[in-house]
Amino acid sequence: SQQGEEDPQALSIQEGENATMNCSYKTSINNLQWYRQNSGRGLVHLILIRSNEREKHSGRLRVTLDTSKKSSSLLITASRAADTASYFCATIQNQFYFGTGTSLTVIP
Amino acid sequence: DAMVIQNPRYQVTQFGKPVTLSCSQTLNHNVMYWYQQKSSQAPKLLFHYYDKDFNNEADTPDNFQSRRPNTSFCFLDIRSPGLGDAAMYLCATSMSTGLGEQYFGPGTRLTVT
Repeated sequence: SQQGEEDPQALSIQEGENATMNCSYKTSINNLQWYRQNSGRGLVHLILIRSNEREKHSGRLRVTLDTSKKSSSLLITASRAADTASYFCATIQNQFYFGTGTSLTVIP
Repeated sequence: DAMVIQNPRYQVTQFGKPVTLSCSQTLNHNVMYWYQQKSSQAPKLLFHYYDKDFNNEADTPDNFQSRRPNTSFCFLDIRSPGLGDAAMYLCATSMSTGLGEQYFGPGTRLTVT
């Protein structure tokens, strides 16, 4: 299966700390995307990184991609309680495949 | 402004009683997707439409069908819901297949009694 694996499955940090989530996948990709999902809601697109890019920033988000290791990481800096959500990577080849997700809790 | 709308947000149906979930979009996107998401799991793609072309995932049960009467609307029909079909159903759209950002609706939580 192309589905990505994410780790950790759950992460709990204090407000102001940084949160890092990792995603590994199995086959070649066109791009990789990260999504956020608040409890009981739909997913919201955060950032897209193309297969020829190594790093991308968007506000407090930093995404890296290592195609040789078939892995990506999402870093959220200076976390806030409002960042509490599940985060999914999605690998895109000819189709979308979502990873297993990381549940992030930011404690105020 | 709502871009991908799903109705209803919560749906309760009886075991074996057909149910239809609806999705509409104001983005004029070519592609519409239906995902099933069970508790604490990743969204699982059921099928998608590229314009009028229907694409079914290989492991989507025959119990699940879809209709797209026009660009804006897409329906998910569950012919005979079982208890295992209780889940969140997410509709999404994108401008092209596979490469770009997907826009998700808020989801419909289906309960089967």
